[in-house]
Amino acid sequence: GAVVSQHPSWVICKSGTSVKIECRSLDFQATTMFWYRQFPKQSLMLMATSNEGSKATYEQGVEKDKFLINHASLTLSTLTVTSAHPEDSSFYICSALQGSGANVLTFGAGSRLTVL
Amino acid sequence: ELKVEQNPLFLSMQEGKNYTIYCNYSTTSDRLYWYRQDPGKSLESLFVLLSNGAVKQEGRLMASLDTKARLSTLHITAAVHDLSATYFCAGNRIQGAQKLVFGQGTRLTINP
Repeated sequence: GAVVSQHPSWVICKSGTSVKIECRSLDFQATTMFWYRQFPKQSLMLMATSNEGSKATYEQGVEKDKFLINHASLTLSTLTVTSAHPEDSSFYICSALQGSGANVLTFGAGSRLTVL
Repeated sequence: ELKVEQNPLFLSMQEGKNYTIYCNYSTTSDRLYWYRQDPGKSLESLFVLLSNGAVKQEGRLMASLDTKARLSTLHITAAVHDLSATYFCAGNRIQGAQKLVFGQGTRLTINP
């Protein structure tokens, strides 16, 4: 089955630093990937849609300059949390859409970010 | 704007019992998803329901969709401890775009 890999699975960083999270589709090409964040014991909120070869589409209220998304290839999207602060600590989950018009969304294992 | 609401949010039940989790959504969604999440883990896809009257079953879990009532249910039959997890339903905010709106989640605890 389709596999989406996220790296790192967890990261601890100091306030003010930037952290990059990678999302890779391992055995399929994904022109579209999605980034979600999940606070403890809460639901998932869509942050942005990552489109291969074009700019990401951000959801209302998500700062595009803070959460930089790059989708440079058909198998890789990256989320960079710039100048991270403790309130950015969260579980970040990506998902990848398999093929155009497909119903299949595959989620990565998630990346837990803790900002000290 | 699509809103998805689940109830109950917390459910504690005994092994062997049956129960249903409800998922109401506010506007049209061209599909309805059910996911399972274990603590500290990502989402495991359970079901995708595409049409009115759709019913899907996998083991002790059965999901159904009523698009007229904008209601989906996840029914648990003869619960076992291994089914303890948080269950999310999600609708599709924009038809065909896979921009999912998730419910709050139902934290299910099954006691021996």
